Amino acid sequence: EPEVTQTPSHQVTQMGQEVILRCVPISNHLYFYWYRQILGQKVEFLVSFYNNEISEKSEIFDDQFSVERPDGSNFTLKIRSTKLEDSAMYFCASSGVGNQPQHFGDGTRLSIL
Amino acid sequence: AQSVTQLGSHVSVSEGALVLLRCNYSSSVPPYLFWYVQYPNQGLQLLLKYTSAATLVKGINGFEAEFKKSETSFHLTKPSAHMSDAAEYFCAVISLGDSSYKLIFGSGTRLLVRP
Repeated sequence: EPEVTQTPSHQVTQMGQEVILRCVPISNHLYFYWYRQILGQKVEFLVSFYNNEISEKSEIFDDQFSVERPDGSNFTLKIRSTKLEDSAMYFCASSGVGNQPQHFGDGTRLSIL
Repeated sequence: AQSVTQLGSHVSVSEGALVLLRCNYSSSVPPYLFWYVQYPNQGLQLLLKYTSAATLVKGINGFEAEFKKSETSFHLTKPSAHMSDAAEYFCAVISLGDSSYKLIFGSGTRLLVRP
């Protein structure tokens, strides 16, 4: 069964540094998402992406964050200047039709020192 | 706006006992509801979905959920717990936007299975 893949599985970065989290969604999917889960808390929506543009973003997704689908297969989340509170598990998800189940990757654990 | 509430952050059952994980939703439109499971250090795996067809939905690993509009509930059940069911379970609802179908998650319920 096709799956969403995320790299790296764990990223450790100094505060203030830029990080790029990478995702390869399922190939025929059209809707792409990033979520995050701070340790011990619920999964929170960050951003949705459709037709090569952001369709919705949460208040968490401020100017430090950006997303890109540079080559038709990868879907990246960039955090320009990381803060301690960005430490979390970041999940990428994709779906074919919008209201159908989203398929999640195994996540990237981001640790900011 | 859509939302879900999961009652009980931890549920503990004996192996072989009934599993019942509670989820109540709030939605101004007919909801699309999902249950996901998260095993330690893994991503979210879809257990089952409700998309307005049958009210009793069967999923993987012997789980099922019943949509009850009158109670705004979508509780997850399994007749007989297995040790491998120990995980965190999330109820979620789709929040419809303009070309966005973001998931709104409950706070999760950690299922513990005692031998």
